[in-house]
Formats: sequence, C-alpha cells, structure tokens
Amino acid sequence: KQEVTQIPAALSVPEGENLVLNCSFTDSAIYNLQWFRQDPGKGLTSLLLIQSSQREQTSGRLNASLDKSSGRSTLYIAASQPGDSATYLCAVRPSGGSNYKLTFGKGTLLTVNP
Amino acid sequence: DAMVIQNPRYQVTQFGKPVTLSCSQTLNHNVMYWYQQKSSQAPKLLFHYYDKDFNNEADTPDNFQSRRPNTSFCFLDIRSPGLGDAAMYLCATSPDLGAAYEQYFGPGTRLTVT
Repeated sequence: KQEVTQIPAALSVPEGENLVLNCSFTDSAIYNLQWFRQDPGKGLTSLLLIQSSQREQTSGRLNASLDKSSGRSTLYIAASQPGDSATYLCAVRPSGGSNYKLTFGKGTLLTVNP
Repeated sequence: DAMVIQNPRYQVTQFGKPVTLSCSQTLNHNVMYWYQQKSSQAPKLLFHYYDKDFNNEADTPDNFQSRRPNTSFCFLDIRSPGLGDAAMYLCATSPDLGAAYEQYFGPGTRLTVT
C-alpha cells in the first residue's frame, strides 16, 4: 500500500527566505506526482504536476523535483512571501491498477512571517 | 469561468440528523469524486461516479451515500452523522478516469456535528 510522508509537518520562515518542502513515497511505481496548496478552510489548488518521466517542473517562484527511484519529491519556493502561507500537500497516482486514485500526504503547514 | 462549486461552504448538523452536501460543475466532466479530510489529515477518497456508475471505496462507511442525478450535480448524503464525521468534504471532477486526467477540486464544505 502506497504511503506518502511529508516532512516537516510545519515550517515557519521569515519573508524572503528560500525554502524546500519534502515529500516521500514508499512505492516508486507512480504515474505522476502533484503538489497542491490549501489555504485554511479552503479546497485544493493544483500547483505543479510532474510526470514520472520528468525530473522537475517550474512555475514562477515554484520548482518541484522528482526522484522516482528513491521515492522523493521536493517543492522549492524562492523568495517566500507572506501570501505563500498555506498548507502544501503532495499526492501520487499509481502507474497500474486503479491509477485514478490520488494518495495524499498530510501536508506541510508553511507560515511566512513579514 | 468553468468551475467546481460546493454548497454550502459551512454546514452544522446535529448528531444523528441526516445531512446532504452538494457539488456542481460546469466543466462537463465525466467523473466526480468525494473526499473526506479530517483536521491535519490527508484527504481520503470516499467514492466516485464515472458517468452514472457509482464506485465505493472498500473502507467507506455505509453511513455515507451519494447521488448523481445528472452530469452537473453530485450529492453526498450522511445518513446519521456522528461526531467523527466532522471534517472538510472535498468534491473533485476529472474529464475521464485514469492517471492522465487531472482532478479539479472545489472549495470544500466544512461539516460540524454538534
């Protein structure tokens, strides 16, 4: 059974700092990995989706990397801003079987202090 | 804009009193999903509809039911809510079933059980 772990569970940084959020998964047979943002009491907003054949994806100040063989992904946020404060979740889809299913981590709660 | 809409955004119900949560979509997607997300936990898939075909996850309690009267609408019915059912309920849609099809999430309904 796939398990997704995100470390740390919470992170507090000063504004302007570059930071890395970590995601690990136990089964490397994935189709893709996706990073989401969740604001308090809100739904999920997709940030980046990386296919299993890709090593990284970039969108603005965000860069997500994937090392499928080691079961790891990172989300790099450059020049953090208070508006980046949210919970960041990663999720993986399996490459076989019920491959529509997303397995989520519990998320990392990021606070960016002005 | 095409989107996924959930109503209400906040719902308070009493222990044991049936409650219905609503999801609608303007994306004309074939698949609609319901997830449960408890505080600081990963979202958990309850069930999905592929067109009119209902697919229940094996560990979804019988207390949870769903209806999809047409392509646009999907309802989550909780027959006898317990205190443990307090959570954020997320609706998502995708054009088709499979890992290649990204899921689009609504803003969620936060359910409180008193």
